[in-house]
Amino acid sequence: GAGVSQSPRYKVAKRGQDVALRCDPISGHVSLFWYQQALGQGPEFLTYFQNEAQLDKSGLPSDRFFAERPEGSVSTLKIQRTQQEDSAVYLCASSFPGQGRGRETQYFGPGTRLLVL
Amino acid sequence: SQELEQSPQSLIVQEGKNLTINCTSSKTLYGLYWYKQKYGEGLIFLMMLQKGGEEKSHEKITAKLDEKKQQSSLHITASQPSHAGIYLCGVRAGGTSYGKLTFGQGTILTVHP
Repeated sequence: GAGVSQSPRYKVAKRGQDVALRCDPISGHVSLFWYQQALGQGPEFLTYFQNEAQLDKSGLPSDRFFAERPEGSVSTLKIQRTQQEDSAVYLCASSFPGQGRGRETQYFGPGTRLLVL
Repeated sequence: SQELEQSPQSLIVQEGKNLTINCTSSKTLYGLYWYKQKYGEGLIFLMMLQKGGEEKSHEKITAKLDEKKQQSSLHITASQPSHAGIYLCGVRAGGTSYGKLTFGQGTILTVHP
């Protein structure tokens, strides 16, 4: 596709429910990032994949959060036993190494807005 | 960890006015990104600055990087309603080779016709 896509765009979950958020990166992009954006704040890093390898998960807030990218393209962020504090916009971004390591431009998807009741 | 402070937090201007948004870092800047976000949408890449003194422009938006002040400024000339949104600055987190970003809290821009 032309850009990063995410689904669902909106998700309402009851507290304790498990949710799965999907990210389709730009075709050919090696790097994939997940960010969490609370209301009125900038995005905060959650985790990073290079192809299928999860190289950094230091931003995941708890062991209820799990991300995977089994074939190096589509990624899923799963949240188990959701809590109200998990309510946020979850953004996915992808990039392609080309301008020098660490200098690639990240292209963001529209995000999934999660509301936990 | 590196922190970014954006000012002002919000800004309301009349169409046609010029405006400036600042992004100040707690540490030396090694590359700074500006993004724009509209409500309910993802971040749209505006520009990236890599070197001190660098200045880039895209249409009516100009961004500068002042390494000594550890600051970047985003200037919009003759603002239009289409410029409204949240402007975010971001930097590559230190110590990584893959460029995970740390963002400021954002500046909300409203442009009245």
